[in-house]
Amino acid sequence: GENVEQHPSTLSVQEGDSAVIKCTYSDSASNYFPWYKQELGKGPQLIIDIRSNVGEKKDQRIAVTLNKTAKHFSLHITETQPEDSAVYFCAATNYGQNFVFGPGTRLSVLP
Amino acid sequence: KAGVTQTPRYLIKTRGQQVTLSCSPISGHRSVSWYQQTPGQGLQFLFEYFSETQRNKGNFPGRFSGRQFSNSRSEMNVSTLELGDSALYLCASSLTGGMNTEAFFGQGTRLTVV
Repeated sequence: GENVEQHPSTLSVQEGDSAVIKCTYSDSASNYFPWYKQELGKGPQLIIDIRSNVGEKKDQRIAVTLNKTAKHFSLHITETQPEDSAVYFCAATNYGQNFVFGPGTRLSVLP
Repeated sequence: KAGVTQTPRYLIKTRGQQVTLSCSPISGHRSVSWYQQTPGQGLQFLFEYFSETQRNKGNFPGRFSGRQFSNSRSEMNVSTLELGDSALYLCASSLTGGMNTEAFFGQGTRLTVV
């Protein structure tokens, strides 16, 4: 079955700097890769996703890149703000199957 | 548009009891998935329901079960509770779970077993 690894487990950046979180997956059949942000006491919130027929997707300060050959995808957050502090999860799935999540990255944006 | 609603938000149960959690998906969404979140194991898939049928199942014991109603609302039940069942239980709804796989999570139900 699918296995998703995520690095780093914790990340601290200064406000205004960029943050990058990387995930690798094992199942070459996986074709949909969402990223979720989870704040304390809340459920995961979908922030961006990418499908296997696309190499990069941007939404304002957030971008995701996908390298199908290497089976890894990354979340890029630019101009970080304190409200970006949260736990971020990547996930991988094949259409119609369940999501397999990475273990999460705790991002702290220091003012 | 209302989001995914899970009730109750918090539950405290005793070992050996059973519990039922409820999830109302986003209007129009027909797929509901359930996940268990713990600090040690992360987010683990329990099962998915689509059109009142269980379509996928994770590696959890038979004490964990679920169902989906004709209005797409879903319930999950855990029988003979164990201390290790203490977790945040999350449900996620999506339009079909197939080609349209964007999934949106509820706030979760925090279950504590004592």
